Amino acid sequence: GDSVTQMEGPVTLSEEAFLTINCTYTATGYPSLFWYVQYPGEGLQLLLKATKADDKGSNKGFEATYRKETTSFHLEKGSVQVSDSAVYFCALRKQGGSEKLVFGKGTKLTVNP
Amino acid sequence: DAGVIQSPRHEVTEMGQEVTLRCKPISGHDYLFWYRQTMMRGLELLIYFNNNVPIDDSGMPEDRFSAKMPNASFSTLKIQPSEPRDSAVYFCASSLGGLSYEQYFGPGTRLTVT
Repeated sequence: GDSVTQMEGPVTLSEEAFLTINCTYTATGYPSLFWYVQYPGEGLQLLLKATKADDKGSNKGFEATYRKETTSFHLEKGSVQVSDSAVYFCALRKQGGSEKLVFGKGTKLTVNP
Repeated sequence: DAGVIQSPRHEVTEMGQEVTLRCKPISGHDYLFWYRQTMMRGLELLIYFNNNVPIDDSGMPEDRFSAKMPNASFSTLKIQPSEPRDSAVYFCASSLGGLSYEQYFGPGTRLTVT
């Protein structure tokens, strides 16, 4: 079945460091891909998305590119801030009708000043 | 808009008791989702509704779990009887569906079963 694999956390960085969180997926066809973020004590919120191959989603300095050839959607940010400390979830939505999202297990990011 | 509202935010109960979690979706959203989050299993979809009708309940773990959506502005997730392994954070989310892919999550209910 469809699945999402994220790099294991936790990830600890210093402020202004470069961030990459790897995400790969298994699905037939062309799923839509998402990154959600969960701040402490809150629900998830959409960070960015891409709905077709080679699309780049971006928001708040974060970027991810839909790579069909490597079935990947890695999250990157050039310079992280303390306020980026959160858990990041990669997710896919299968092509063709279902509203169901399949989530990865999440990667906890801590940014130290 | 107030966003997705869940109640209670925290629930502590004893094994064998009935637990009811409540959710009010964002007004106008046609889809409502219930998720469970644990350290071991991550975020799992339990069930989702479209226009108050259950569409996919394949994630509901067993007969002790039931969910209803009597109208467009209210849904419940009930566990009867509760067990310690049901301890988790339960999230409700809603969306417009269709081309608008974003799901909006509530703050969650942290359930502890002792």
